[in-house]
Amino acid sequence: DTEVTQTPKHLVMGMTNKKSLKCEQHMGHRAMYWYKQKAKKPPELMFVYSYEKLSINESVPSRFSPECPNSSLLNLHLHALQPEDSALYLCASSQDGVGYYEQYFGPGTRLTVT
Amino acid sequence: AQSVAQPEDQVNVAEGNPLTVKCTYSVSGNPYLFWYVQYPNRGLQFLLKYITGDNLVKGSYGFEAEFNKSQTSFHLKKPSALVSDSALYFCAVITRNSGYALNFGKGTSLLVTP
Repeated sequence: DTEVTQTPKHLVMGMTNKKSLKCEQHMGHRAMYWYKQKAKKPPELMFVYSYEKLSINESVPSRFSPECPNSSLLNLHLHALQPEDSALYLCASSQDGVGYYEQYFGPGTRLTVT
Repeated sequence: AQSVAQPEDQVNVAEGNPLTVKCTYSVSGNPYLFWYVQYPNRGLQFLLKYITGDNLVKGSYGFEAEFNKSQTSFHLKKPSALVSDSALYFCAVITRNSGYALNFGKGTSLLVTP
């Protein structure tokens, strides 16, 4: 099973709201990633977790807060977002922590900030 | 900086004809190269990777890619295109310096016409 699931599929939130995105994988992968993708552009890395520890934060604003409660689950907590944060948020995972492994992506959450 | 470049924004090919989507890389040390495909409103799907070994790499859905060290290229190919191959294709490189996260090219939109 090479599936990464993400919920919700779509999310509309106001600039004062607090919401969370959820990502789950049951492949035993030990590295998980959050990417942000604007339309027709490549994904941009936000965060990397390796063995449930945050290993990379690509200078992401503090209104995005990642959390890795266990090896199968990755959350992205959202607060006080801006309209320019509207994008497709992709979660990915790879085996055995970080390394030269292919990453498997979820279908994404389409976020609209109003 | 470790990067890949996709020189074509769009590639058009007739169904049944061979297709090539170009990618060149600029890395210090050994390159670890990947191809992903993204269908509309979907996450990215892994197609193939080059880590070491044979220069011709075979992947999913009949795609293959040729690693050419002298030309620093990693072009994606398929002998006979299908209309269903129409999608956005990303070349990517993994680098140790970036915490083993994927660094994507800008993407190439492939349109296969009947």
